[in-house]
Amino acid sequence: DPKIIQKPKYLVAVTGSEKILICEQYLGHNAMYWYRQSAKKPLEFMFSYSYQKLMDNQTASSRFQPQSSKKNHLDLQITALKPDDSATYFCASSQTGNSDYTFGSGTRLLVI
Amino acid sequence: QQQVRQSPQSLTVWEGETAILNCSYENSAFDYFPWYQQFPGEGPALLIAIRSVSDKKEDGRFTIFFNKREKKLSLHITDSQPGDSATYFCAASAEGATGGNNKLTFGQGTVLSVIP
Repeated sequence: DPKIIQKPKYLVAVTGSEKILICEQYLGHNAMYWYRQSAKKPLEFMFSYSYQKLMDNQTASSRFQPQSSKKNHLDLQITALKPDDSATYFCASSQTGNSDYTFGSGTRLLVI
Repeated sequence: QQQVRQSPQSLTVWEGETAILNCSYENSAFDYFPWYQQFPGEGPALLIAIRSVSDKKEDGRFTIFFNKREKKLSLHITDSQPGDSATYFCAASAEGATGGNNKLTFGQGTVLSVIP
C-alpha cells in the first residue's frame, strides 16, 4: 500500500484556471513538503510544514498556496495557472528533525 | 545559485563495473547528505545517507565517500546491475542548524545506464 498518496496522478489544466493537488501521508510523520520537478530545475524545493505550520517557503509566486486541513494532509492550490507551471509536483514527508524523506509518486501537471 | 552540484550528468557502465557518481556542495552548514534513486514515473526513494562526522558509509553495493574539507562526496555502486539504471540525486540538509526545518537541497541528478 502506498504510504504517501498523491492525487490526481495526471492533470491537464487550461491557462488561467485553478487546481488543487492532493497529498496524504500514512507514515505518522509530522513534517511535509512540496517539491517541483521539471527539465529545467529537477527537484526544486517549494514549501515545508511541521505540525501543520509553515516552516519555509521558497516559492516566489503567491499563486502557490499550501493547505493543511489535517496533520497528515498537505494539499497544494495553484491559481491562475501558466504553461510554465507544467511539471511534476512531488509531496514528501519526514519526522520533524529528520531529513529522510519519503516521496509520493507525484502529480504530473500539464498546463495548455 | 546551485548549492549542490552533481557530475557527470549521465554515466554509462557495463554490468559488473563500478559506477562513480560525484557531488559537491557550497554551504558549510550542510551536515547530512542522502542519496536518492529515481526510476521513470516514480518519486525519488532514499538509497543511502551519510552525516558529516563520517567519511564513509556502506550499504551492500552502495558506498558513500565523504570529504568535508573539500566539500565533496561520491556514491560508488559496485557490481552494477541493469536494475540500477535510474537517476541518482545527491541532496544536502543542515539538520544541526535549522531548528526543525529539514529542507533538502537537491543536485541536478546523474542518469545512470547499466548495459548488460
